[in-house]
Amino acid sequence: DTAVSQTPKYLVTQMGNDKSIKCEQNLGHDTMYWYKQDSKKFLKIMFSYNNKELIINETVPNRFSPKSPDKAHLNLHINSLELGDSAVYFCASSQEFTDLTGELFFGEGSRLTVL
Amino acid sequence: GQQVMQIPQYQHVQEGEDFTTYCNSSTTLSNIQWYKQRPGGHPVFLIQLVKSGEVKKQKRLTFQFGEAKKNSSLHITATQTTDVGTYFCAVVPYSGAGSYQLTFGKGTKLSVIP
Repeated sequence: DTAVSQTPKYLVTQMGNDKSIKCEQNLGHDTMYWYKQDSKKFLKIMFSYNNKELIINETVPNRFSPKSPDKAHLNLHINSLELGDSAVYFCASSQEFTDLTGELFFGEGSRLTVL
Repeated sequence: GQQVMQIPQYQHVQEGEDFTTYCNSSTTLSNIQWYKQRPGGHPVFLIQLVKSGEVKKQKRLTFQFGEAKKNSSLHITATQTTDVGTYFCAVVPYSGAGSYQLTFGKGTKLSVIP
């Protein structure tokens, strides 16, 4: 069983459209994250949720809205897509959110291409 | 905000040569983690270092945390083609304010020439 699974794996869409990426973890972790990896491979955190509560919200356009229906799921909805949104989006989870967070388990990534 | 510098950005080595990547922080760290991302893959956790001066080994990989807890290194002995990928450090700053945000370095991309 995949520990952190995200869908879809690939997403190609037109500018201006709205799209969602879903993420689920079966590890029983309390904390989930969304990271964006651009073409230069830089991994930047976007959001973090701990037990369904938002705890990190980096400087991300408000076109991006995370939703956590329960602690095993963290979805990412993007409105009015722009060319610069093209990237690989990684979902991740960890056991807790402390100064010894422990390892992050990453999903396989969702490659978003905006045309 | 937290500044993390990882060097070099790229490294090409002949198979069998050694490889080292360095991670430097502008502030004292609570702990540091290392990840490996194969081409087309996702980051995979390698190790976490917590104590000042800590050294940990995993087969041909040696991880070191500096005495001042501001820098770290990952050394691979006798590289193999399976070592190809991007190696990231990820740091948690030491902060009494309780900020536990993990910040990733920009990674070192390792190519191994057979």
